[in-house]
Amino acid sequence: GAGVSQSPRYKVAKRGQDVALRCDPISGHVSLFWYQQALGQGPEFLTYFQNEAQLDKSGLPSDRFFAERPEGSVSTLKIQRTQQEDSAVYLCASSLARGNTEAFFGQGTRLTVV
Amino acid sequence: GENVEQHPSTLSVQEGDSAVIKCTYSDSASNYFPWYKQELGKRPQLIIDIRSNVGEKKDQRIAVTLNKTAKHFSLHITETQPEDSAVYFCAASTGQKVTFGTGTKLQVIP
Repeated sequence: GAGVSQSPRYKVAKRGQDVALRCDPISGHVSLFWYQQALGQGPEFLTYFQNEAQLDKSGLPSDRFFAERPEGSVSTLKIQRTQQEDSAVYLCASSLARGNTEAFFGQGTRLTVV
Repeated sequence: GENVEQHPSTLSVQEGDSAVIKCTYSDSASNYFPWYKQELGKRPQLIIDIRSNVGEKKDQRIAVTLNKTAKHFSLHITETQPEDSAVYFCAASTGQKVTFGTGTKLQVIP
């Protein structure tokens, strides 16, 4: 596709349920980022991949959060035993090269935990 | 870790006036500073960026300045238009981790 694609766009989960959020980056983009954006706040860094290697996961809030990018393309963010405070928009971004180049964002997945 | 502070949180200007948004950062390893515009319900989009080896960059009505010594950078929008109304985020990057500011909601009054 022409841009970063995320699915689903909206997800409602019951507290305690596991969820998986998918990100399809722009083809050929080396770097991939996940962010969490609460209502009215800026995106908060979760994790960073360079190809299939997860180089930084310092922003993952707890061990219930797990991200992978096994073939260096599509990435999945998994949240186990969801809690109400996990409700947010989860944004994925990709960039062409390593280091500091323009990152293109997906539309995000709005997760609501009830 | 990096801490990015952004001011003001809201800004209202008359159409045609200028708008200035200021950010500070704490990590001297940060060397890339992008600015994003986010309209309600939409994805953030890059509007301008600056690297640490440059003090100023301009693109039509938008300019960004960087003071590495003081660790602050600013966004300047001149001749504002109603379509400039949005939330603007500054960010600081070390290359792997990008830290965003808390955002400035800009309202341009026609």
